[in-house]
Amino acid sequence: GDSVTQMEGPVTLSEEAFLTINCTYTATGYPSLFWYVQYPGEGLQLLLKATKADDKGSNKGFEATYRKETTSFHLEKGSVQVSDSAVYFCALSDNTGNQFYFGTGTSLTVIP
Amino acid sequence: NAGVTQTPKFQVLKTGQSMTLQCAQDMNHEYMSWYRQDPGMGLRLIHYSVGAGITDQGEVPNGYNVSRSTTEDFPLRLLSAAPSQTSVYFCASSYGGTSQPQHFGDGTRLSIL
Repeated sequence: GDSVTQMEGPVTLSEEAFLTINCTYTATGYPSLFWYVQYPGEGLQLLLKATKADDKGSNKGFEATYRKETTSFHLEKGSVQVSDSAVYFCALSDNTGNQFYFGTGTSLTVIP
Repeated sequence: NAGVTQTPKFQVLKTGQSMTLQCAQDMNHEYMSWYRQDPGMGLRLIHYSVGAGITDQGEVPNGYNVSRSTTEDFPLRLLSAAPSQTSVYFCASSYGGTSQPQHFGDGTRLSIL
């Protein structure tokens, strides 16, 4: 079945460091791919999405490119801030558009 | 601008008790879903609904029931709570299924003793 494998955490970075969180997926057909972010005590919020191969999603300085050849959707940010500290989830929407699969989440802490 | 509202925020139950977790959205979304979030396992889909009167099972449906009598509400029922159901539960909704951005509630933290 469909699944998402996400880089294990936790990740601790200094402010202004470069961030990469790896995400790979297994799916039939052409799923849509997402990154969600969860701040402490809150629900998940959409960070960015991509719906087809080679699409690049971007938001708030974060980027991820849908790579069908490597079945990957890695999250990157060039210069992290303390306010980026959160848990990040990679996710895919299956071919039916009815089921959603999340990765296990990666906790990011950014220190001043 | 309420979005997705979940109640209660916290609950403690004893094994064998029953309970309903409430979820309501005011965005006229057809698709609604329930997830549980457990440490090291991310979020897993319990049940979902593509419209009033239509529900289906997700990845981990055992021990949970749902119904969808209106577009706005999608309650999740635990008929006989078990310690394995201790988790944080999230409700989500979207305009057109999972290919569209999901709007999440703030969650219900449930402990089963």
